[in-house]
Amino acid sequence: DTEVTQTPKHLVMGMTNKKSLKCEQHMGHRAMYWYKQKAKKPPELMFVYSYEKLSINESVPSRFSPECPNSSLLNLHLHALQPEDSALYLCASSQDRQVISTDTQYFGPGTRLTVL
Amino acid sequence: GIQVEQSPPDLILQEGANSTLRCNFSDSVNNLQWFHQNPWGQLINLFYIPSGTKQNGRLSATTVTTERYSLLYISSSQTTDSGVYFCAVEGRSNYQLIWGAGTKLIIKP
Repeated sequence: DTEVTQTPKHLVMGMTNKKSLKCEQHMGHRAMYWYKQKAKKPPELMFVYSYEKLSINESVPSRFSPECPNSSLLNLHLHALQPEDSALYLCASSQDRQVISTDTQYFGPGTRLTVL
Repeated sequence: GIQVEQSPPDLILQEGANSTLRCNFSDSVNNLQWFHQNPWGQLINLFYIPSGTKQNGRLSATTVTTERYSLLYISSSQTTDSGVYFCAVEGRSNYQLIWGAGTKLIIKP
């Protein structure tokens, strides 16, 4: 099973709302990622968890708060977002980031977020 | 940092045609990956190809590390091949992927 699942598929929220995006994989991968993708642009890395510990935070505003409850789950908590945060949010996983080179990353279908 | 350039930016072909997409990178890399993003946003890893040549059905890829480029070949294109093709590399100094801007491919029936 090479599947990464994400929920919800679509999300519309106001600037004062609190919501969460969820990501799950059952491939035994120990690295999980959040990316943000704007239209007609490549994905931008936001966070990386390696062995359930936050290893990379690409200077993401605090209104985005990641959480990794266990090795299969990754959440992204959203609070007080701005309209410019509207984008496709992609989750990915890979085998192991403690070796010298990045393994193949498997992506979920994404959550299309609209902030009003 | 490493620069990744993809060409062409856009490509429109008839079904059945062959195509070659190119990815140039400005420095030595640990690895290189090709992805396809379909019109609904799903990103699929096509090849993990730090060097050499790999084939998977109608698709093949070649990375020439000494000349710092990779090529993705698509033969007998189908409408389902439409989407954006991204090349991403990992530099030797960190473990993050650096993405090209992508090639948007449209296959017309």
